[in-house]
Amino acid sequence: GAGVSQTPSNKVTEKGKYVELRCDPISGHTALYWYRQSLGQGPEFLIYFQGTGAADDSGLPNDRFFAVRPEGSVSTLKIQRTERGDSAVYLCASSLNGQETQYFGPGTRLLVL
Amino acid sequence: GENVEQHPSTLSVQEGDSAVIKCTYSDSASNYFPWYKQELGKRPQLIIDIRSNVGEKKDQRIAVTLNKTAKHFSLHITETQPEDSAVYFCAASKGDTGRRALTFGSGTRLQVQP
Repeated sequence: GAGVSQTPSNKVTEKGKYVELRCDPISGHTALYWYRQSLGQGPEFLIYFQGTGAADDSGLPNDRFFAVRPEGSVSTLKIQRTERGDSAVYLCASSLNGQETQYFGPGTRLLVL
Repeated sequence: GENVEQHPSTLSVQEGDSAVIKCTYSDSASNYFPWYKQELGKRPQLIIDIRSNVGEKKDQRIAVTLNKTAKHFSLHITETQPEDSAVYFCAASKGDTGRRALTFGSGTRLQVQP
């Protein structure tokens, strides 16, 4: 079946602007994760949803970052007042309830000018 | 929180040779250890994983070993091929027993020379 998808694949914005990044998990996967990957580094955890609720948001760097998953499927990561340091690849992953294996999407490459 | 160290950062081998990548973790409660392969500009793809109730797992040319006492785990690739060239990441989590988020190592760039 279809894997995790993310849109847009690339996003260029200006410092101070607001952006939204979208993740479509694998159908039936109740767990959804957001990670951020800077160049040459491993992914860093941002937030984890189990169903509609954020079960763990301890990785969000500050209050400019927010994520929602209102119907327990698609999730949107929202970044307010973007800064150049927010430039990275934002990865989404999903997993079945009770399973540890996480399947990653292709990521959204965000560039803040 | 959990900290995962990975080495080497780069590894170059001749086609047909073996490659070994090592990781250590800090949290003794971690119990799930996946390995991901990431080609340039692509998504991380799971290649093998191991849980803390076993010491070794093998899948064709790929094997992972886990030493819970020493808190380290390793990826072994035998008979390497040029298509094995990629960045490999180890990771750790507490799985069902706690924090599900993966903590990743910093990656190893493997280059297999034909």
